[in-house]
Amino acid sequence: AQKITQTQPGMFVQEKEAVTLDCTYDTSDPSYGLFWYKQPSSGEMIFLIYQGSYDQQNATEGRYSLNFQKARKSANLVISASQLGDSAMYFCAMREEEDMRFGAGTRLTVKP
Amino acid sequence: GAGVSQSPRYKVAKRGQDVALRCDPISGHVSLFWYQQALGQGPEFLTYFQNEAQLDKSGLPSDRFFAERPEGSVSTLKIQRTQQEDSAVYLCASSLEVGSLREGEQFFGPGTRLTVL
Repeated sequence: AQKITQTQPGMFVQEKEAVTLDCTYDTSDPSYGLFWYKQPSSGEMIFLIYQGSYDQQNATEGRYSLNFQKARKSANLVISASQLGDSAMYFCAMREEEDMRFGAGTRLTVKP
Repeated sequence: GAGVSQSPRYKVAKRGQDVALRCDPISGHVSLFWYQQALGQGPEFLTYFQNEAQLDKSGLPSDRFFAERPEGSVSTLKIQRTQQEDSAVYLCASSLEVGSLREGEQFFGPGTRLTVL
């Protein structure tokens, strides 16, 4: 069964605007971690942000914030003030124990 | 460098050939993961090591795939009798000893792009 679902294959955003990338997950484990990674065309996976299942506050890292809604099992990534360099694939991932599973990704294109 | 390195970066193999992909994790990282990423897809888990012990190999797609980490540092993913469906990017990641899920943040290498003709 799919554990991580990213329903947006592609998204477009105008430069300097904010964009939200959706992620929902499925787990019965009360302890888990949620990650977002960016993968530019060069192929490397770049860590963006982390949210623990017990964290009370939404995680923020610079222009990235995670809209964590535990009851709905969603962990959407919000990118504020989009830049042309934000154009890339974005993957949501969940870790339970040693196991790490990724979603299918969302391709974000920032328009000038 | 201090990051995860992988070699070769690109590999072209004829169908039926054996290949070996190398991963050098970050020094001191206990956990090491291999993923397969097909074009346009997210990484799919293959196998996981904690030091030299292979704790999970449930993601290996067939018995043609074999991974080892004999001294708990460098790891090799071997694919025997390669098939066209093996064409993908193979990513290696390492992480600190898992004391908390936050410490499970994985640092990825640049990947090896395997093309089987």
